[in-house]
Amino acid sequence: AQKVTQAQTEISVVEKEDVTLDCVYETRDTTYYLFWYKQPPSGELVFLIRRNSFDEQNEISGRYSWNFQKSTSSFNFTITASQVVDSAVYFCALRVHNTDKLIFGTGTRLQVFP
Amino acid sequence: EAGVTQFPSHSVIEKGQTVTLRCDPISGHDNLYWYRRVMGKEIKFLLHFVKESKQDESGMPNNRFLAERTGGTYSTLKVQPAELEDSGVYFCASSHLLIGGYEQYFGPGTRLTVT
Repeated sequence: AQKVTQAQTEISVVEKEDVTLDCVYETRDTTYYLFWYKQPPSGELVFLIRRNSFDEQNEISGRYSWNFQKSTSSFNFTITASQVVDSAVYFCALRVHNTDKLIFGTGTRLQVFP
Repeated sequence: EAGVTQFPSHSVIEKGQTVTLRCDPISGHDNLYWYRRVMGKEIKFLLHFVKESKQDESGMPNNRFLAERTGGTYSTLKVQPAELEDSGVYFCASSHLLIGGYEQYFGPGTRLTVT
């Protein structure tokens, strides 16, 4: 069975702190895709990143970085020098090969205080 | 380019009533998905349309839920009769059949409250 676990329900930080959101996934498929989405207060889910199972290179995009480690089945997300605008709920999701449906974790609410 | 839109943004109905949710995907996107998030839990897949055909409806909870996508454009999700456990946020997403890989673009959701 496939599953995504986001153990951190809520995280609070002060602006400019670094913060890491954890994501652990389970699947027996060898081909799969991992995603992060951001849900700001406006409600829509905003796509942030997609990684496939054959590409373990870490990725950096501005203040955002992602650490994909197959050995630990983790796909963690780090925000460097957090800002108030980063406050949102962040969802990690898994999609296995030959299906389109996304399997989401329960989300992590991040609050960044000024 | 307009994103995925959903209507209404919020609906409050009584148990036993009927509600219809609407989703307008991004223009040109053949794939349309419905998901649901019950309070505090994960977002769960309901079903997937490719154009007007149901590709995967494995997530539909029961026969009180009916999804349609006539003409392969917008989609509706009807709940009849609504039960208390149907409360939650219903998300719609769309993606292009051939372009853009596997990113699904989500709408803002419809918050359904059944009292």
